[in-house]
Amino acid sequence: QTVVTQEPSFSVSPGGTVTLTCGLSSGSVSATYYPSWNQQIPGQAPRTLIYSTNSRSSGVPDRFSGSILGNKAALTITGAQADDECDYYCVLYMGSGIYVFGTGTRVTVL
Amino acid sequence: QVQLVQSGAEVKKPGASVKLSCRASGYTFTTYSVHWVRQAPGQGLEWMGWINAGHGNTKYSQKFQGRVTIISDTSATTAYMELSSLRSEDTAVYYCARGNYDILTLDYWGQGTLVTVSS
Repeated sequence: QTVVTQEPSFSVSPGGTVTLTCGLSSGSVSATYYPSWNQQIPGQAPRTLIYSTNSRSSGVPDRFSGSILGNKAALTITGAQADDECDYYCVLYMGSGIYVFGTGTRVTVL
Repeated sequence: QVQLVQSGAEVKKPGASVKLSCRASGYTFTTYSVHWVRQAPGQGLEWMGWINAGHGNTKYSQKFQGRVTIISDTSATTAYMELSSLRSEDTAVYYCARGNYDILTLDYWGQGTLVTVSS
């Protein structure tokens, strides 16, 4: 069973930069996994921020960017703001119609 | 605008089944898929499966194979997810999301439905 791993938590200062990653228990993440990133405020539905590695969904601020870093997908928040404090989940397309969500990262802005 | 509106909260006993709905609007229902994702209390997101809303073919996570059924009603632009043999561990918020074939992602989400399984 493939596990998609994310850091459990990250802390960033207001105005600072943080990079979250999304890896595989075995193997490397590449663009062929169509990595996307979802933001979830506790108690609310997820919102898709980034799709196909580095494309921003409509209305998403440009302080959010996606990339491949080494063997992982990455989400970078540049100039973090207080309302960026929430949970972030990556999701990978594994092929054959199968999707797997990452374990999630809680970001704290303080 | 794209909207996915889900049915209301459910309380079920262990061993029962639950059927949730997800009504889509603001786009051509049959040219996208509908995914179901759940989130147990305090836990992460878990992908369950999807349906090609136009053709009706499905794909399920191996974890739920045999217990989950997803169908679509094109006339009502609504997808349904039925989960059977419920146990307490199935207590969760269940989300539907639109699947976009071009970018292989879930791009719009419903508001979620809380299912509580308790004797």
